[in-house]
Amino acid sequence: EDQVTQSPEALRLQEGESSSLNCSYTVSGLRGLFWYRQDPGKGPEFLFTLYSAGEEKEKERLKATLTKKESFLHITAPKPEDSATYLCAVQASDYKLSFGAGTTVTVRA
Amino acid sequence: DAGITQSPRHKVTETGTPVTLRCHQTENHRYMYWYRQDPGHGLRLIHYSYGVKDTDKGEVSDGYSVSRSKTEDFLLTLESATSSQTSVYFCAISVTDTQYFGPGTRLTVL
Repeated sequence: EDQVTQSPEALRLQEGESSSLNCSYTVSGLRGLFWYRQDPGKGPEFLFTLYSAGEEKEKERLKATLTKKESFLHITAPKPEDSATYLCAVQASDYKLSFGAGTTVTVRA
Repeated sequence: DAGITQSPRHKVTETGTPVTLRCHQTENHRYMYWYRQDPGHGLRLIHYSYGVKDTDKGEVSDGYSVSRSKTEDFLLTLESATSSQTSVYFCAISVTDTQYFGPGTRLTVL
């Protein structure tokens, strides 16, 4: 059974204080690892897809990396508008997504 | 914006009543999905569709049925709602390997 575990569950940061979120996974036949951002009361918004170990993707203050067992989402010099829940999902060989429970990030000004 | 709308956005109903949630897309994507999201759990797949009249079960399909008579619409039905089905329901479409989500429907079953 595919499993995705995100840590920590919650993260409180001061504006400008860089940090990392972790997504560890077990999956049969990884096709891709996805990161989404979710704001309260809204649907998940796609951020990145990573396909192979060693791959990195960047978008503004966010950088996602992938190894064979986990992925990290690095937030550099966060701003209050980066406050959200970040979801990780893995896509197995059957194309279905398995999601982690998310990390809720709060950035204080 | 992936051109996905969900209706209703909020619904309160009573145990034992039937409920239908609608997902509508404007771009004729083949694959559509229904998920539920509960505190402490990730999004969990209920049912999905890979074409008109072609549907299959996800990991939490008990108590739910779906129908897709047109490419643009994917309906999720709770035949007899229970309190355990109180949740936020998201529809998604797939563009190549990436899923894009609608705004969600918050359903409360009293």
